Amino acid sequence: RKEVEQDPGPFNVPEGATVAFNCTYSNSASQSFFWYRQDCRKEPKLLMSVYSSGNEDGRFTAQLNRASQYISLLIRDSKLSDSATYLCVVNPSIGSARQLTFGSGTQLTVLP
Amino acid sequence: DVKVTQSSRYLVKRTGEKVFLECVQDMDHENMFWYRQDPGLGLRLIYFSYDVKMKEKGDIPEGYSVSREKKERFSLILESASTNQTSMYLCASKEGSSPLHFGNGTRLTVT
Repeated sequence: RKEVEQDPGPFNVPEGATVAFNCTYSNSASQSFFWYRQDCRKEPKLLMSVYSSGNEDGRFTAQLNRASQYISLLIRDSKLSDSATYLCVVNPSIGSARQLTFGSGTQLTVLP
Repeated sequence: DVKVTQSSRYLVKRTGEKVFLECVQDMDHENMFWYRQDPGLGLRLIYFSYDVKMKEKGDIPEGYSVSREKKERFSLILESASTNQTSMYLCASKEGSSPLHFGNGTRLTVT
């Protein structure tokens, strides 16, 4: 089993739709979680951190479920500009920076 | 805002050449990383450094070396470039449990 697994995608949704991605992780001791957005041929950029109580930033909502070991990203009212690949990143422990683990990414295309 | 700067966006090198990829960060971060990203393989860690002159191998260090003489600068060196090192190279930095901040990437082609 991979340490971090994401929905395979691709997701093709119409403008205005709500779409959700999940990311499961295998290490129950994982400490911190992030969602990144990566546009084609560009670097990943931090979209949002994921907090234990869940957090929202405009149309984006991130949630953490420690019992089931997954994080989710919900995008409401999708825009054409949301088309990108979304990566989840898990930091297994506070001590080691090396062990950051990336999901393989979920590709989203928002259609007009 | 954290700024991570990679010296080149695009590079074309010949097989056997020695290649230097430079990365500079301006936030006094302890940790710096070099990844490569390939289609279908995702991001893979080559090397990382947790302090000046300190380095640790990542998952795919073969064919690469690194140098961290100053805290803000982390260099990736391909001693003798090969075609299978054609890739997108991403430098990143972080502090503690904060998120990674990436540079804008170097797309290297080895012919």
